[in-house]
Amino acid sequence: AQSVTQLGSHVSVSEGALVLLRCNYSSSVPPYLFWYVQYPNQGLQLLLKYTTGATLVKGINGFEAEFKKSETSFHLTKPSAHMSDAAEYFCAVSGGSGGYQKVTFGTGTKLQVIP
Amino acid sequence: NAGVMQNPRHLVRRRGQEARLRCSPMKGHSHVYWYRQLPEEGLKFMVYLQKENIIDESGMPKERFSAEFPKEGPSILRIQQVVRGDSAAYFCASHRGDYNEQFFGPGTRLTVL
Repeated sequence: AQSVTQLGSHVSVSEGALVLLRCNYSSSVPPYLFWYVQYPNQGLQLLLKYTTGATLVKGINGFEAEFKKSETSFHLTKPSAHMSDAAEYFCAVSGGSGGYQKVTFGTGTKLQVIP
Repeated sequence: NAGVMQNPRHLVRRRGQEARLRCSPMKGHSHVYWYRQLPEEGLKFMVYLQKENIIDESGMPKERFSAEFPKEGPSILRIQQVVRGDSAAYFCASHRGDYNEQFFGPGTRLTVL
């Protein structure tokens, strides 16, 4: 069984400020972890993913996330918010490699960037 | 290299009609997922298919909903006798089988009047 909890359905930051979107997961096996971004009326786009290896993962648009097994977390950060970052962000977990593993998504966090 | 294609992008149906949503996965991808998205609820898994096989339909309502992914052609999500509660955005995603990274289509927004 696996699940994802995203803390805060809405987050507001000022342009240029740090972006921190929180994600905690549970998984009975070593997880694969993902962050997706969704712009209005569009599908989801992969920002970054953790599978194995280095726990700090860098993605597109300046985002990064760190896998912390002890905290079962995979928080998404960006040092300086840009207006174009306003979107909805989804954290997701799957049960790793080896055959079919369902991906479970969190309920999403809407990021508002204030000029 | 085209991404995941979904059509139609918008679909309006009256209660009791049928809705057919189509998904063409990325080239080389033989795995397709369907999700439903309701406001403030995130994505809910519906069904996972490989070519000609339903692998996991645990998220799909037992009544009125069906999905297929034939050997040739797109995957189809079919909703019979639609009700207002079926109004949502339906997303298709595909992957080629490694690392579970899924590539999403733009979605079909179904409105039931």
